[in-house]
Amino acid sequence: QVQLQESGPGLVEPSQTLSLTCNVSGGSVSSRGYYWSWIRQYPGKGLEWIGYIYYSGSTYYNPSLKSRVTLSLDTSSNHFSLNLSSVTAADTAVYYCATSPDGYIYFTWGQGTLVTVSS
Amino acid sequence: DIQMTQSPSSLSASIGDRVTITCRASQSISSYLNWYQHKPGQAPKLLVYVASSLQSGVPSRFSGSGSGTDFTLTISCLQPEDFATYYCQQSYTTPHTFGQGTNLEIK
Repeated sequence: QVQLQESGPGLVEPSQTLSLTCNVSGGSVSSRGYYWSWIRQYPGKGLEWIGYIYYSGSTYYNPSLKSRVTLSLDTSSNHFSLNLSSVTAADTAVYYCATSPDGYIYFTWGQGTLVTVSS
Repeated sequence: DIQMTQSPSSLSASIGDRVTITCRASQSISSYLNWYQHKPGQAPKLLVYVASSLQSGVPSRFSGSGSGTDFTLTISCLQPEDFATYYCQQSYTTPHTFGQGTNLEIK
């Protein structure tokens, strides 16, 4: 059973880069066919899909964030990461990592980590 | 982007009630519709996928139906552990989009 756990700073200053890691246990980020995703939830409860990275390293980003987002895989540490540049207060949210064996259904999610953008 | 609209936004019900939550897509998404349950401080939990398939381990009182643009999630006999927020999500095309959520509260 794959388990996911997000980690990273809870506070980021405006204009800086938000960096989060999702640690994977019970499975491998190199597992054939798997998609590794990031989703965020705003304080008003809406959910926004940020994007996903395929086990091969191919990436798919939400066009609304594409210019600021980078997803990456670290097979040696068995985790995947999110970098979001030039953040503003509008990027304050709970960030979840999730995984899908087919790119359509998110079977497993992490518990989420709150990131606040503030000086 | 495909817009997903859930109704109602909030719902008060009693133990043992039957409740239905509706999700409407702004265009046809075939059966690429999933439902999640979310409790505060916990990871969201997949309940139903491709509109009507029950995820392993999910009680049979949960059921999903629909195709095209209109979908429903039904809980046939509410239990105390069912009070949570429920989200629909389309995976027909990227970016995947979610409904705004339905907060199910105890009456």
